[in-house]
Amino acid sequence: LAKTTQPISMDSYEGQEVNITCSHNNIATNDYITWYQQFPSQGPRFIIQGYKTKVTNEVASLFIPADRKSSTLSLPRVSLSDTAVYYCLVELFNDYKLSFGAGTTVTVRA
Amino acid sequence: NAGVMQNPRHLVRRRGQEARLRCSPMKGHSHVYWYRQLPEEGLKFMVYLQKENIIDESGMPKERFSAEFPKEGPSILRIQQVVRGDSAAYFCASSPPTAQGITEAFFGQGTRLTVV
Repeated sequence: LAKTTQPISMDSYEGQEVNITCSHNNIATNDYITWYQQFPSQGPRFIIQGYKTKVTNEVASLFIPADRKSSTLSLPRVSLSDTAVYYCLVELFNDYKLSFGAGTTVTVRA
Repeated sequence: NAGVMQNPRHLVRRRGQEARLRCSPMKGHSHVYWYRQLPEEGLKFMVYLQKENIIDESGMPKERFSAEFPKEGPSILRIQQVVRGDSAAYFCASSPPTAQGITEAFFGQGTRLTVV
């Protein structure tokens, strides 16, 4: 049973806001929600992590409803350089055994 | 401060040969993690090492694969007698001794192994 489910791909245009929703119906009490970004031929890069409600940093915002069965990564005003694969992970806070699924390929067009 | 350095970036091996992948962690980092990304799949954990110690190798195939992180020098992921199914991108990540988990780790650019 997959831990997370997210769309395979999303298209957007420069300057738009991109919202990627991830379902994690079986999230456990001690699990955190973490998002990574991966550019072609690069390793993944940590974007944001949260447990509940809303988390914001200089790159993105993460919205987590009270039941924590889903989460939404919000990328404000995307640019061409935001074209990448975005992964949603549900893991223990200190867990290093990360398991990445297929992710969501976000393509930003001019 | 250079990032995590992996070399070679691309490696081609014939079936039955050995592959050695190197990872130099960021300066001051003593924790190293290896991940593998098979074609059309996400990354999967392989092994977690600290200097001269293997902490967790539960993601490593039982045969032909080994990893080390010596006191001096880079971490090495070694694959003996490679087969076509070993073709993948291998990523290394490192984190400082005081890291609160993998989220403070930085990934390298990976080594793409092709077995012909």
